Amino acid sequence: AQSVTQLDSHVSVSEGTPVLLRCNYSSSYSPSLFWYVQHPNKGLQLLLKYTSAATLVKGINGFEAEFKKSETSFHLTKPSAHMSDAAEYFCVVSEWGGGNKLTFGTGTQLKVEL
Amino acid sequence: DGGITQSPKYLFRKEGQNVTLSCEQNLNHDAMYWYRQDPGQGLRLIYYSQIVNDFQKGDIAEGYSVSREKKESFPLTVTSAQKNPTAFYLCASQTTSSGSYNEQFFGPGTRLTVL
Repeated sequence: AQSVTQLDSHVSVSEGTPVLLRCNYSSSYSPSLFWYVQHPNKGLQLLLKYTSAATLVKGINGFEAEFKKSETSFHLTKPSAHMSDAAEYFCVVSEWGGGNKLTFGTGTQLKVEL
Repeated sequence: DGGITQSPKYLFRKEGQNVTLSCEQNLNHDAMYWYRQDPGQGLRLIYYSQIVNDFQKGDIAEGYSVSREKKESFPLTVTSAQKNPTAFYLCASQTTSSGSYNEQFFGPGTRLTVL
């Protein structure tokens, strides 16, 4: 069985400061891991995905995440926050088989202040 | 312009009524999914379909029904048996090639409110 835990339900940063959104996962097999972003009343957009090719994954809008198997973590980072980054972020795990089902974390709401 | 469309964007339903949410994709994806989103709970899987004329229940299928008569379309019916249907509903699709590394693509969602 797979699961994912997002350690913070809300994160607040100042514009121009670094962003860290934390995610831990549990998986019986080698997982695929994703980060999605959702702006209010919108669908989800893929930020980046881990596919076992490289442990440091770069995504869109300057975000990146590092897969650490020993820590079962996949934290999302960005060096400098922008006002447009304010949104909800979901960490997602997938295992092959069972219909390619995704398991979502409960989300982290990112607030960016001036 | 490839993508997933959902309609309507907002839907209001009286108690005891069935309503159908539309989901269409032109990405040529085999698999399609329906999720329900409630505040603070992430997304929960209602139904999914990996091929035309076949679908499986997800984690919270009670009170919902689906059909998959065409590859492009995966409508969701919220029946009167669903006790708490007010939520944001998201449809997604995915190619089934190359194993589990494929991301799902999401539509813009339908917000259903029961009056």
